[in-house]
Amino acid sequence: AQSVTQPDIHITVSEGASLELRCNYSYGATPYLFWYVQSPGQGLQLLLKYFSGDTLVQGIKGFEAEFKRSQSSFNLRKPSVHWSDAAEYFCAVSFSGGGADGLTFGKGTHLIIQP
Amino acid sequence: DGGITQSPKYLFRKEGQNVTLSCEQNLNHDAMYWYRQDPGQGLRLIYYSQIVNDFQKGDIAEGYSVSREKKESFPLTVTSAQKNPTAFYLCASTPRSGSGGAGEQFFGPGTRLTVL
Repeated sequence: AQSVTQPDIHITVSEGASLELRCNYSYGATPYLFWYVQSPGQGLQLLLKYFSGDTLVQGIKGFEAEFKRSQSSFNLRKPSVHWSDAAEYFCAVSFSGGGADGLTFGKGTHLIIQP
Repeated sequence: DGGITQSPKYLFRKEGQNVTLSCEQNLNHDAMYWYRQDPGQGLRLIYYSQIVNDFQKGDIAEGYSVSREKKESFPLTVTSAQKNPTAFYLCASTPRSGSGGAGEQFFGPGTRLTVL
């Protein structure tokens, strides 16, 4: 069955430290991949996306993600986090190509920033 | 500015009542979506519409209904048949597949529904 897994429910990092959020998917082909961020009580904002081509993609707010086909992963990274990065992060996948049939979301990772 | 608006931001409903959540977009997007968000569950797809006067059930459509009479509007009705309607509801839209930016969904600010 097609699925998206974010193995970490909560992650705590110190301000200025590096960050990696994990995302794995289960699918027979390469899907369209997305990372979204959500502040409390708000909608979702797209950080970055991967459709094809270079497997290292750059996004907004200093985030990047790397697609690894062999591991069915699309992990999100940031070299140095800021207190304003505290939020909920969602990995999302389009299994239908083009995303017209909707996205499948992971359950999210709650990021806590320690001063 | 182009975007997606959802109203109201907070909604309270008594058990047994139907309630309609509004979603409007001025992005000229063809496809629109409704998701439900519960704590620790991520987002789950309720209904989606790729074109006016057509829509499809998502993963958790039971107890919900939608209409798509205009390109810019996609209201969601939570009916009394929905057993656990208290949740955060998010509307999204995307350009038609193949038109560039395909797959990327733009989200509204959400409506928090509470059943009393």
